[in-house]
Amino acid sequence: KNQVEQSPQSLIILEGKNCTLQCNYTVSPFSNLRWYKQDTGRGPVSLTIMTFSENTKSNGRYTATLDADTKQSSLHITASQLSDSASYICVVSASGGSYIPTFGRGTSLIVHP
Amino acid sequence: NAGVTQTPKFQVLKTGQSMTLQCAQDMNHNSMYWYRQDPGMGLRLIYYSASEGTTDKGEVPNGYNVSRLNKREFSLRLESAAPSQTSVYFCASSSAGGNTGELFFGEGSRLTVL
Repeated sequence: KNQVEQSPQSLIILEGKNCTLQCNYTVSPFSNLRWYKQDTGRGPVSLTIMTFSENTKSNGRYTATLDADTKQSSLHITASQLSDSASYICVVSASGGSYIPTFGRGTSLIVHP
Repeated sequence: NAGVTQTPKFQVLKTGQSMTLQCAQDMNHNSMYWYRQDPGMGLRLIYYSASEGTTDKGEVPNGYNVSRLNKREFSLRLESAAPSQTSVYFCASSSAGGNTGELFFGEGSRLTVL
């Protein structure tokens, strides 16, 4: 069964600090992995997509990494801001015609001033 | 560009009542999805429509029905609401199917069943 596990479940950091969120998956055959950001009371929004051949991709202060061999991804947030407080969801898609991506349960990040 | 629009945003029902959640997208996407989100459970797929004219069950379809009215619209119906259906419901759409395309979500519909 395809699964996506995220850690930690929740994280509290001070403004200006860095943090790293983890995602492990067992989805096969792998197509792509996306990180979504969900602000409180809003729908998720895609931050970045990682395909099999990509190791690192940045989007501003967000940097995603992918190790397809160990089936792990991480999302690193640099110099955190209050607006980074949100839930971060890892979503993995399989190739071969499936229309259903597999969602992780998310990591809730709180950034304190 | 409105993206994905859901109505209503909030609804309170009594056990046994019925209602329909509406979803429309203006991005000409083929695939549409209904998810529910509960604390600690993440987003779970209720039903999806890979293309106009087709619908399929997801992970948690019991107690729900869907209609893909046309390419733009995908509705979710609760025939006899139960307290276990208290949740936040999200509609999403994608251009190329979930396995390649980005999912675009609506703002959610918050449903409480008393």
